Amino acid sequence: QKEVEQDPGPLSVPEGAIVSLNCTYSNSAFQYFMWYRQYSRKGPELLMYTYSSGNKEDGRFTAQVDKSSKYISLFIRDSQPSDSATYLCAMSAINDYKLSFGAGTTVTVRA
Amino acid sequence: SAVISQKPSRDICQRGTSLTIQCQVDSQVTMMFWYRQQPGQSLTLIATANQGSEATYESGFVIDKFPISRPNLTFSTLTVSNMSPEDSSIYLCSVEAAQETQYFGPGTRLLVL
Repeated sequence: QKEVEQDPGPLSVPEGAIVSLNCTYSNSAFQYFMWYRQYSRKGPELLMYTYSSGNKEDGRFTAQVDKSSKYISLFIRDSQPSDSATYLCAMSAINDYKLSFGAGTTVTVRA
Repeated sequence: SAVISQKPSRDICQRGTSLTIQCQVDSQVTMMFWYRQQPGQSLTLIATANQGSEATYESGFVIDKFPISRPNLTFSTLTVSNMSPEDSSIYLCSVEAAQETQYFGPGTRLLVL
């Protein structure tokens, strides 16, 4: 079993829809949770990060962490064609520089 | 956030040869990392490079195959040695950031024939 599981998709939605992405994990030591966005032929770009459980909002993006269920989510409201990318979840334990990544979900927002 | 550049951005190499990838960051950082990203797969950490010490390799990666240099706080190189087609991948460098996050470079796309 992988340490971090992420549905690879692909996910195709119409412009303006809500995109819902999620990851599950098995390591209860994880405390930092990140979402990276990776455009085609580019490196991953840090989109959001949260510490421990709870929600964090940044513009159209909301990250949620439920440590009791070992489940994290990213929601993209009012999706735009420019949101078309691969979204990678990543996580780490405290004082552990190593990141564990999901496989990434490819999202296409249709105009 | 840190600005990270990598050279080359892409290359096509013959099997049995070696390629050295450079990673430059615009600020001093203690920890730099090298990852491999194969199609449809997660990012896999190859090694961690701290300035002034030997790189630390992850399980499945060895120094003879992936020698790393870290001569100062803004630069690192990764060499892919004696390449085979299985080494075809995207190689990414990253640097430590706040809250255990990392910033990534644009990647080097390697095709081995």
